[in-house]
Amino acid sequence: QSALTQPASVSGSPGQSITISCAGTSSDVGGYDFVSWYQQHPGKAPKLIIYDVSNRPSGVSDRFSGSKSGNTASLTISGLQAEDEADYYCNSYTSRTLYVFGTGTKVTVL
Amino acid sequence: EDYLLESGGGLVQPGGSLRLSCAASGFTFISYAMNWVRQAPGRGLEWVAALTGSGRYTLYADSVKGRFTVSRDNSKNILFLQMNNLRAEDTAVYYCARDFLTRAPGGAFDPWGQGTLVTVSS
Repeated sequence: QSALTQPASVSGSPGQSITISCAGTSSDVGGYDFVSWYQQHPGKAPKLIIYDVSNRPSGVSDRFSGSKSGNTASLTISGLQAEDEADYYCNSYTSRTLYVFGTGTKVTVL
Repeated sequence: EDYLLESGGGLVQPGGSLRLSCAASGFTFISYAMNWVRQAPGRGLEWVAALTGSGRYTLYADSVKGRFTVSRDNSKNILFLQMNNLRAEDTAVYYCARDFLTRAPGGAFDPWGQGTLVTVSS
């Protein structure tokens, strides 16, 4: 099972919006609404920020939003803040092995 | 608060074995499927294995199938990962992570433990 494809890096200035893509296939992202996103700061465990494509867990800022079109899911961070600088990973349920993660995207706040 | 704490990591020689543990607290352990996820140094996340709440059903990534075994003790709220025939490429921080929801599939992972480092080297 190949990892889902994410851009290696995305950057933006404070206050701007950025979007991270997560490309898969009809056997994972395109076939199920079980896409989740995780934020990981250096040396820390990942944190769930989006589940079921577009739902936010309690306590997660509404600056984070998720969507999906076809075989590609997206995470948008609005009103970019310094604390958003981190690595972001998508994950999808897959008919192949159960779950597959994306390759990861490093977000830099300029 | 829902909490997970891994232990058991360390240095092991290629071909050796190691058993990781993950102690859970703050939630009804048997109600949730559990997962192991690993992260090699400087690399991305890789889902490794999952186990249903009852412990009856397991699934593994192709990279560990036949070498790793996931199990749980619901009387003690502990998740295990038995790792045999370890290879250099198994070197990683191993996280245990709970399914976020009790449905099947859970579809997401939360909470996560802090991770335990496994190093496979001679």
